[in-house]
Amino acid sequence: DAGVTQSPTHLIKTRGQQVTLRCSPKSGHDTVSWYQQALGQGPQFIFQYYEEEERQRGNFPDRFSGHQFPNYSSELNVNALLLGDSALYLCASSLGSNSGPQPQHFGDGTRLSIL
Amino acid sequence: AQKVTQAQTEISVVEKEDVTLDCVYETRDTTYYLFWYKQPPSGELVFLIRRNSFDEQNEISGRYSWNFQKSTSSFNFTITASQVVDSAVYFCALSGSGNTGKLIFGQGTTLQVKP
Repeated sequence: DAGVTQSPTHLIKTRGQQVTLRCSPKSGHDTVSWYQQALGQGPQFIFQYYEEEERQRGNFPDRFSGHQFPNYSSELNVNALLLGDSALYLCASSLGSNSGPQPQHFGDGTRLSIL
Repeated sequence: AQKVTQAQTEISVVEKEDVTLDCVYETRDTTYYLFWYKQPPSGELVFLIRRNSFDEQNEISGRYSWNFQKSTSSFNFTITASQVVDSAVYFCALSGSGNTGKLIFGQGTTLQVKP
Protein backbone atom coordinates (compact mmCIF):
# COMPACT_ATOMS: atom_id res chain seq x y z
CA ASP A 1 0.00 0.00 0.00
CA ALA A 2 1.79 3.09 -1.28
CA GLY A 3 1.89 6.07 1.00
CA VAL A 4 1.97 9.70 -0.07
CA THR A 5 4.38 10.24 -2.94
CA GLN A 6 5.79 13.58 -4.00
CA SER A 7 7.82 14.63 -7.02
CA PRO A 8 10.36 15.86 -7.64
CA THR A 9 12.52 15.24 -4.57
CA HIS A 10 14.72 18.26 -5.13
CA LEU A 11 14.38 21.27 -7.37
CA ILE A 12 16.55 24.30 -8.03
CA LYS A 13 15.03 27.41 -9.59
CA THR A 14 15.97 31.06 -9.99
CA ARG A 15 14.06 34.12 -8.87
CA GLY A 16 11.06 34.96 -11.00
CA GLN A 17 10.59 31.47 -12.37
CA GLN A 18 7.54 29.29 -11.87
CA VAL A 19 7.44 25.79 -10.35
CA THR A 20 4.97 22.91 -10.15
CA LEU A 21 5.15 20.28 -7.44
CA ARG A 22 3.16 17.06 -7.57
CA CYS A 23 1.57 14.79 -4.98
CA SER A 24 -0.21 11.45 -5.06
CA PRO A 25 -2.21 10.75 -1.92
CA LYS A 26 -2.24 7.55 0.07
CA SER A 27 -4.60 4.99 -1.40
CA GLY A 28 -8.16 5.62 -0.20
CA HIS A 29 -7.56 9.23 0.80
CA ASP A 30 -9.55 12.01 -0.82
CA THR A 31 -8.16 15.14 0.83
CA VAL A 32 -4.80 16.75 0.11
CA SER A 33 -3.12 19.49 2.10
CA TRP A 34 0.08 21.36 1.32
CA TYR A 35 2.55 22.78 3.84
CA GLN A 36 5.70 24.87 3.59
CA GLN A 37 8.48 24.10 6.06
CA ALA A 38 11.36 26.55 6.30
CA LEU A 39 14.61 25.29 7.78
CA GLY A 40 14.34 24.84 11.54
CA GLN A 41 10.64 25.72 11.61
CA GLY A 42 7.37 23.88 11.88
CA PRO A 43 5.30 23.34 8.73
CA GLN A 44 2.99 26.18 7.70
CA PHE A 45 -0.37 25.38 6.13
CA ILE A 46 -0.72 26.59 2.54
CA PHE A 47 -4.10 25.18 1.46
CA GLN A 48 -6.26 22.08 1.33
CA TYR A 49 -8.11 20.45 -1.54
CA TYR A 50 -11.19 18.29 -1.28
CA GLU A 51 -13.47 17.21 -4.13
CA GLU A 52 -11.24 19.13 -6.56
CA GLU A 53 -11.85 22.45 -4.82
CA GLU A 54 -9.75 24.55 -2.47
CA ARG A 55 -11.49 24.11 0.87
CA GLN A 56 -9.28 26.20 3.10
CA ARG A 57 -6.30 28.48 2.63
CA GLY A 58 -3.55 29.64 4.93
CA ASN A 59 -1.80 33.00 4.93
CA PHE A 60 0.00 32.67 1.60
CA PRO A 61 -0.11 35.08 -1.38
CA ASP A 62 -1.93 34.36 -4.62
CA ARG A 63 1.39 33.34 -6.18
CA PHE A 64 0.67 30.02 -4.53
CA SER A 65 -2.06 28.08 -6.30
CA GLY A 66 -3.08 24.49 -6.58
CA HIS A 67 -5.24 21.94 -8.22
CA GLN A 68 -6.74 18.58 -7.38
CA PHE A 69 -7.53 16.04 -10.07
CA PRO A 70 -10.38 13.51 -10.21
CA ASN A 71 -7.99 10.77 -9.02
CA TYR A 72 -7.31 12.94 -5.90
CA SER A 73 -3.72 13.72 -6.88
CA SER A 74 -2.70 17.34 -6.53
CA GLU A 75 -0.33 19.99 -7.79
CA LEU A 76 1.12 23.03 -6.08
CA ASN A 77 2.14 25.90 -8.34
CA VAL A 78 4.25 28.84 -7.28
CA ASN A 79 4.73 31.82 -9.62
CA ALA A 80 7.29 34.62 -9.55
CA LEU A 81 9.57 32.74 -7.19
CA LEU A 82 11.30 34.67 -4.41
CA LEU A 83 14.37 33.73 -2.42
CA GLY A 84 12.10 33.32 0.60
CA ASP A 85 10.22 30.52 -1.14
CA SER A 86 13.16 28.22 -0.53
CA ALA A 87 11.79 25.50 1.74
CA LEU A 88 10.65 21.92 2.07
CA TYR A 89 7.16 21.55 0.61
CA LEU A 90 5.15 18.81 2.23
CA CYS A 91 2.04 17.17 0.90
CA ALA A 92 -0.32 15.40 3.29
CA SER A 93 -3.36 13.29 2.57
CA SER A 94 -6.26 12.25 4.73
CA LEU A 95 -9.73 10.81 4.51
CA GLY A 96 -12.60 13.27 4.69
CA SER A 97 -14.75 12.57 7.74
CA ASN A 98 -17.61 14.03 9.74
CA SER A 99 -16.00 12.91 12.98
CA GLY A 100 -13.32 15.54 13.15
CA PRO A 101 -10.02 15.99 11.36
CA GLN A 102 -8.40 12.68 10.59
CA PRO A 103 -4.65 12.08 10.91
CA GLN A 104 -2.77 13.42 7.94
CA HIS A 105 -0.18 11.22 6.28
CA PHE A 106 2.79 13.10 4.90
CA GLY A 107 5.10 12.53 1.97
CA ASP A 108 8.86 12.96 2.07
CA GLY A 109 8.55 16.45 0.62
CA THR A 110 10.09 18.42 -2.21
CA ARG A 111 13.14 20.47 -1.32
CA LEU A 112 12.92 23.71 -3.34
CA SER A 113 15.97 25.96 -3.56
CA ILE A 114 15.78 29.41 -5.14
CA LEU A 115 19.00 30.97 -6.40
CA ALA B 1 -5.97 33.00 17.15
CA GLN B 2 -4.60 29.51 17.45
CA LYS B 3 -1.04 28.88 18.52
CA VAL B 4 1.20 26.01 19.60
CA THR B 5 4.33 26.58 21.65
CA GLN B 6 7.10 24.06 22.12
CA ALA B 7 9.49 25.89 24.41
CA GLN B 8 12.23 23.27 24.24
CA THR B 9 14.24 23.80 21.07
CA GLU B 10 16.70 20.96 21.64
CA ILE B 11 16.98 18.16 24.18
CA SER B 12 19.88 15.77 24.54
CA VAL B 13 19.66 12.60 26.64
CA VAL B 14 21.60 9.40 27.07
CA GLU B 15 20.01 6.17 25.92
CA LYS B 16 17.57 4.61 28.43
CA GLU B 17 16.77 7.95 30.06
CA ASP B 18 13.15 9.11 30.17
CA VAL B 19 12.40 12.39 28.39
CA THR B 20 9.35 14.65 28.28
CA LEU B 21 8.59 17.02 25.42
CA ASP B 22 6.37 19.96 26.35
CA CYS B 23 3.54 21.39 24.28
CA VAL B 24 1.30 24.32 25.20
CA TYR B 25 -1.53 25.44 22.95
CA GLU B 26 -3.92 28.37 22.60
CA THR B 27 -7.36 28.22 21.01
CA ARG B 28 -10.80 29.72 21.51
CA ASP B 29 -12.52 26.68 20.05
CA THR B 30 -14.35 24.42 22.48
CA THR B 31 -13.82 21.46 20.18
CA TYR B 32 -10.31 20.93 18.94
CA TYR B 33 -7.81 18.20 18.24
CA LEU B 34 -4.18 17.79 19.21
CA PHE B 35 -1.55 15.78 17.40
CA TRP B 36 2.05 14.72 17.76
CA TYR B 37 4.26 14.01 14.76
CA LYS B 38 7.82 12.73 14.50
CA GLN B 39 10.13 13.96 11.74
CA PRO B 40 13.26 11.85 11.26
CA PRO B 41 16.14 13.16 9.11
CA SER B 42 14.47 11.74 6.00
CA GLY B 43 11.89 14.54 6.27
CA GLU B 44 8.63 12.61 6.30
CA LEU B 45 6.34 13.52 9.19
CA VAL B 46 5.13 10.40 10.97
CA PHE B 47 1.80 10.53 12.81
CA LEU B 48 1.98 9.46 16.46
CA ILE B 49 -1.30 10.38 18.13
CA ARG B 50 -4.56 12.32 17.80
CA ARG B 51 -6.51 13.48 20.84
CA ASN B 52 -9.78 15.44 20.93
CA SER B 53 -10.55 18.10 23.49
CA PHE B 54 -13.22 16.03 25.21
CA ASP B 55 -10.96 13.12 25.99
CA GLU B 56 -8.58 13.99 28.80
CA GLN B 57 -7.50 10.45 29.53
CA ASN B 58 -3.79 9.93 29.33
CA GLU B 59 -2.65 7.46 26.72
CA ILE B 60 0.19 4.97 26.62
CA SER B 61 1.54 3.20 23.56
CA GLY B 62 4.57 1.10 24.29
CA ARG B 63 7.36 3.43 25.43
CA TYR B 64 5.31 6.50 24.46
CA SER B 65 2.81 8.25 26.71
CA TRP B 66 0.85 11.47 26.47
CA ASN B 67 -0.46 13.71 29.25
CA PHE B 68 -3.34 15.99 28.20
CA GLN B 69 -4.27 18.67 30.74
CA LYS B 70 -6.99 21.02 29.58
CA SER B 71 -6.64 23.19 32.69
CA THR B 72 -3.12 24.19 31.67
CA SER B 73 -3.63 23.85 27.89
CA SER B 74 -0.83 21.34 27.69
CA PHE B 75 -0.34 18.10 25.80
CA ASN B 76 3.03 16.70 26.83
CA PHE B 77 4.76 13.67 25.35
CA THR B 78 7.00 11.32 27.31
CA ILE B 79 9.35 8.70 25.92
CA THR B 80 10.36 6.09 28.47
CA ALA B 81 13.72 4.35 28.20
CA SER B 82 14.75 6.38 25.17
CA GLN B 83 16.61 4.76 22.29
CA VAL B 84 18.93 6.13 19.64
CA VAL B 85 16.19 5.54 17.03
CA ASP B 86 14.03 8.07 18.87
CA SER B 87 16.35 10.85 17.69
CA ALA B 88 14.24 13.15 15.53
CA VAL B 89 12.34 16.42 15.53
CA TYR B 90 9.00 16.15 17.28
CA PHE B 91 6.10 18.45 16.46
CA CYS B 92 2.96 19.15 18.41
CA ALA B 93 0.03 20.38 16.30
CA LEU B 94 -3.47 21.77 16.82
CA SER B 95 -6.54 21.54 14.62
CA GLY B 96 -9.64 23.57 15.46
CA SER B 97 -13.29 22.85 15.06
CA GLY B 98 -14.51 21.79 11.66
CA ASN B 99 -13.41 18.90 9.57
CA THR B 100 -10.84 20.49 7.30
CA GLY B 101 -8.01 19.36 9.49
CA LYS B 102 -5.76 22.37 8.98
CA LEU B 103 -2.84 21.80 11.31
CA ILE B 104 -1.14 24.54 13.31
CA PHE B 105 2.33 23.29 14.20
CA GLY B 106 4.68 24.28 16.96
CA GLN B 107 8.32 25.07 16.23
CA GLY B 108 9.37 21.54 17.03
CA THR B 109 11.74 19.99 19.57
CA THR B 110 14.90 18.30 18.36
CA LEU B 111 15.60 15.22 20.45
CA GLN B 112 19.05 13.70 20.38
CA VAL B 113 19.51 10.36 22.11
CA LYS B 114 23.15 9.44 22.61
CA PRO B 115 24.32 5.85 23.00
